[in-house]
Amino acid sequence: KQEVTQIPAALSVPEGENLVLNCSFTDSAIYNLQWFRQDPGKGLTSLLLIQSSQREQTSGRLNASLDKSSGRSTLYIAASQPGDSATYLCAGSQTSGSRLTFGEGTQLTVNP
Amino acid sequence: NAGVTQTPKFQVLKTGQSMTLQCAQDMNHEYMSWYRQDPGMGLRLIHYSVGAGITDQGEVPNGYNVSRSTTEDFPLRLLSAAPSQTSVYFCASSLLDSGANVLTFGAGSRLTVL
Repeated sequence: KQEVTQIPAALSVPEGENLVLNCSFTDSAIYNLQWFRQDPGKGLTSLLLIQSSQREQTSGRLNASLDKSSGRSTLYIAASQPGDSATYLCAGSQTSGSRLTFGEGTQLTVNP
Repeated sequence: NAGVTQTPKFQVLKTGQSMTLQCAQDMNHEYMSWYRQDPGMGLRLIHYSVGAGITDQGEVPNGYNVSRSTTEDFPLRLLSAAPSQTSVYFCASSLLDSGANVLTFGAGSRLTVL
């Protein structure tokens, strides 16, 4: 059974810093990995999806990488802004059927 | 384009009552699913469906029923509510394709069972 872990559970940084959020998974036979953002009281918004054949994906100031052999994914946020404050969740899928296993998330606070 | 719509947003039930959480999507997505989110537990899959007439259990299906009579709708029924079902429930949908199956989430339904 796939297990997904995110460390740290919470992170506070000053505005402008570059930061990395970590995601670990136990089963390297991962089909794809997604990063989501969740604002308080809201649903999840998909940020990036990395398919198993890819090593990274980029969208604006966000870059996500996937290393299946080590069971790790990272989300890099460049030049952080207070608007980036949210909980970031990673989730892995074992098949094409969209069943995702989620980590518990990292709560990010970017201080002005 | 409304995306994924969940109703109600908030609900309070007494133990033993039944209710249905509604989920509708207008993106012609084959895949629909229900998750619950609890502090310290992350999101856990309750039930999912890969098309009309097809449903299957997820990680935590006990106490919940689903049906998929149309592509658009995927209601979640609580048969006899228990305090352990107090949670935030999310419906999510996606296309079924070769791998870029990005999930679109609803805004969530917060349920409290007294």
